[in-house]
Parts: sequence; C-alpha cells; structure tokens
Amino acid sequence: DTAVSQTPKYLVTQMGNDKSIKCEQNLGHDTMYWYKQDSKKFLKIMFSYNNKELIINETVPNRFSPKSPDKAHLNLHINSLELGDSAVYFCASSQDAALQETQYFGPGTRLLVL
Amino acid sequence: GDSVTQMEGPVTLSEEAFLTINCTYTATGYPSFFWYVQYPGEGLQLLLKATKADDKGSNKGFEATYRKETTSFHLEKGSVQVSDSAVYFCALSPGSYNTDKLIFGTGTRLQVFP
Repeated sequence: DTAVSQTPKYLVTQMGNDKSIKCEQNLGHDTMYWYKQDSKKFLKIMFSYNNKELIINETVPNRFSPKSPDKAHLNLHINSLELGDSAVYFCASSQDAALQETQYFGPGTRLLVL
Repeated sequence: GDSVTQMEGPVTLSEEAFLTINCTYTATGYPSFFWYVQYPGEGLQLLLKATKADDKGSNKGFEATYRKETTSFHLEKGSVQVSDSAVYFCALSPGSYNTDKLIFGTGTRLQVFP
C-alpha cells in the first residue's frame, strides 16, 4: 500500500490556468507538508498543516492555497499559473509537528506551465 | 537562519569505490539530521538519520555521523554499486516544536559505473 500518494503524477497546463494537486497519506500522521523542487533540484518547504491547521507558510505567493479537508489529505490549489511555477511538487507527512520526526514523501507531481 | 551546504556534483565513481558526500550546516538550537535519496523519476526516500551529536545513522551500507565540533553530517559508503546512482540530499530539522520543517541542501548526484 502506498503510504503517501499524489495525483496527478504529471500536469501540463497553460499559463493563467488554475489547477489542483491532491495528496493523501494512510499512515495516520497528524502533520502534512508541501515542498517545491525547482529545475536545479533544490527543495524548499512551502506549507505545513498539523491536524488541519496551517502551521508553516514560507512566504509563498497567495496564488497558492493549501486546503486540508481532514488530517489525511492536503491539497494544493494554484491560481493563475505562471511559467515559474513549473517544478516538481512533493507532499510529505510526519507523525506530528514535534521535534525530529521523520517525514515520508510522496512520489511528486511534475508540473509544466507553458 | 539555519542552512545546509552540500558538495557540488556530480560525483562519478566506479563500482566498489569508496563514497563520501560532504554535508556541513549552520544551525542554532538542537537540530536533527537526515539523508534522503531520490532515484531517477521517483520521490524522496529516507536513507538514514541522527538526532543528537555523535549519533551515527546507518542503512544499506551507508553511514553518517552527526559531528557538532565540525558542524558536519557527511555520508559515506565503503563500496558503492551501480544501483546507488541517485541524487542524495542532506537535510536538517531545526527542532522548533510545532513548526518543524526540513531544510535541504542542494543535492549531490552520484553516478556509479560498472
């Protein structure tokens, strides 16, 4: 069984469109994250939710809006897509937001904005 | 702020060679350290971790020791295989209760040839 899953795996879209990426974890974890990996493989955190509440927002443009309907899901909605949004987006989860918890990553969603 | 610096890649080795990938850090408080591996086209997988100074993490023949005196968490393997070819990421977790996140290095690509 997949622990952290993301859909879609690939997403190709036009500039200006609105798109969503979904993430689900079946590990029973309380905390979920979104990371962005750019074309140079650099990974940076975007958001973190603990029990459906936002706890980290790393100065991401407000075109990006995470939504957590329950603690097993953290979706990422992106409005008015720009070329610079092209990247691989990784979802992750950990037991909780406490110290030193291992984060488990999904397979990534490769977004290409044309 | 906290940061992680990894050696530039790619690192190119022959099978059975000794591997070292350097990772140094700047951090306050009591961080934990992780090595993640990303195989081509896949997400990140936890390779090993260390949660306090002088701890050694190990897995699949890889080792790394958290050394506070040299602010390092270098990754080593005594004899690499072709199947170890991947991108390796060093990361730290700052240890801020309830706002924890991973801060990644830029990744180091390892290429192992038969």
